[in-house]
Amino acid sequence: GQQLNQSPQSMFIQEGEDVSMNCTSSSIFNTWLWYKQDPGEGPVLLIALYKAGELTSNGRLTAQFGTTRKDSFLNISASIPSDVGIYFCAGQFRAQKLVFGQGTRLTINP
Amino acid sequence: DSGVTQTPKHLITATGQRVTLRCSPRSGDLSVYWYQQSLDQGLQFLIQYYNGEERAKGNILERFSAQQFPDLHSELNLSSLELGDSALYFCASSLGGPAADTQYFGPGTRLTVL
Repeated sequence: GQQLNQSPQSMFIQEGEDVSMNCTSSSIFNTWLWYKQDPGEGPVLLIALYKAGELTSNGRLTAQFGTTRKDSFLNISASIPSDVGIYFCAGQFRAQKLVFGQGTRLTINP
Repeated sequence: DSGVTQTPKHLITATGQRVTLRCSPRSGDLSVYWYQQSLDQGLQFLIQYYNGEERAKGNILERFSAQQFPDLHSELNLSSLELGDSALYFCASSLGGPAADTQYFGPGTRLTVL
């Protein structure tokens, strides 16, 4: 099935460091979303972006909708232990299915 | 808590069997999506229902079917199960608007086929 290119696949960082991950696609999307998934749980919505160029923050998280509509990035500042998990980007064209990236697994060393 | 509920949480069954997974959307949401998450394929869209009608189909096998009932809950039926059907199955719900349509996910059902 179709997937977005999400990188990096995994990150090992120290507590307090900033994190950056991104997603690219060969197709344009109307909406970009970022979800976080903990083991055995469903994806939890972190940030939704609806407009090219849009920059949105949610606490220590900041995400941007790329101007070409084919990419997005997520930054996490001053990471803390509860940030551990798998982060997924997802693109959506109008009110249709979500197309997901492969995920970025974040591990934090205290 | 997203407001989307799924039952059961875990399901263990044998090859060749049939199971039914259930999803109740958030209050007010008309649209339900089903996704399959496996280690090798990631999160893949299966099917979408809107207000009782099928709206879109993805990579759903012919052995799988779904429906959405008048009370808007949805069921995903998986039959003639194979080992490769073992996966996490998620449903997501949304308002179902024509433009941006943010989806909220349930906790998932983990299916193990032995």
